[in-house]
Amino acid sequence: RKEVEQDPGPFNVPEGATVAFNCTYSNSASQSFFWYRQDCRKEPKLLMSVYSSGNEDGRFTAQLNRASQYISLLIRDSKLSDSATYLCVPPGQLTFGSGTQLTVLP
Amino acid sequence: ETGVTQTPRHLVMGMTNKKSLKCEQHLGHNAMYWYKQSAKKPLELMFVYNFKEQTENNSVPSRFSPECPNSSHLFLHLHTLQPEDSALYLCASSQENRDVNTEAFFGQGTRLTVV
Repeated sequence: RKEVEQDPGPFNVPEGATVAFNCTYSNSASQSFFWYRQDCRKEPKLLMSVYSSGNEDGRFTAQLNRASQYISLLIRDSKLSDSATYLCVPPGQLTFGSGTQLTVLP
Repeated sequence: ETGVTQTPRHLVMGMTNKKSLKCEQHLGHNAMYWYKQSAKKPLELMFVYNFKEQTENNSVPSRFSPECPNSSHLFLHLHTLQPEDSALYLCASSQENRDVNTEAFFGQGTRLTVV
């Protein structure tokens, strides 16, 4: 089993929609996990860091389910500028998932 | 934000050339990483350095040789590469503690083309 698995998408959603991504992991070694976004041909940039079971920042909510070993990212009221690839980094790992591609359509 | 700086940004090299990629971080972090990202592929972790010591080498071919002279600098020496090594090479740094891994900060990457 891969260390990290993500639904690659693509997710094509209309502007204003709510969209959620999941990321499953096979190993848990620490308390923190992260979501990054990566724009085309650019480096990944941190979107949210979470040091407990969840975190909310404006339109973005990240949650950790330790029992089922997955982390999720919820985006509300999608904007065109949210179009990117979203990468998860599970607890205690340095490897990234394959990323989930999101396109928000006008 | 210039916390992690990579040079050069673009590099074209022949299969017989020797070149080096450079990464410098100004964040005071104790861990640095090299990742490779081929077109439409996920990030692949290549090397990990903690406190200047290499702690991970993910079966990377010997034509890639990392060097970490101090906690702020990381190099990737390249020689006799193959066309399939063409990719975006990303450097990252973070502050590693025993129980908590902090977020990684990435450089803008070196886009390498092997001809």
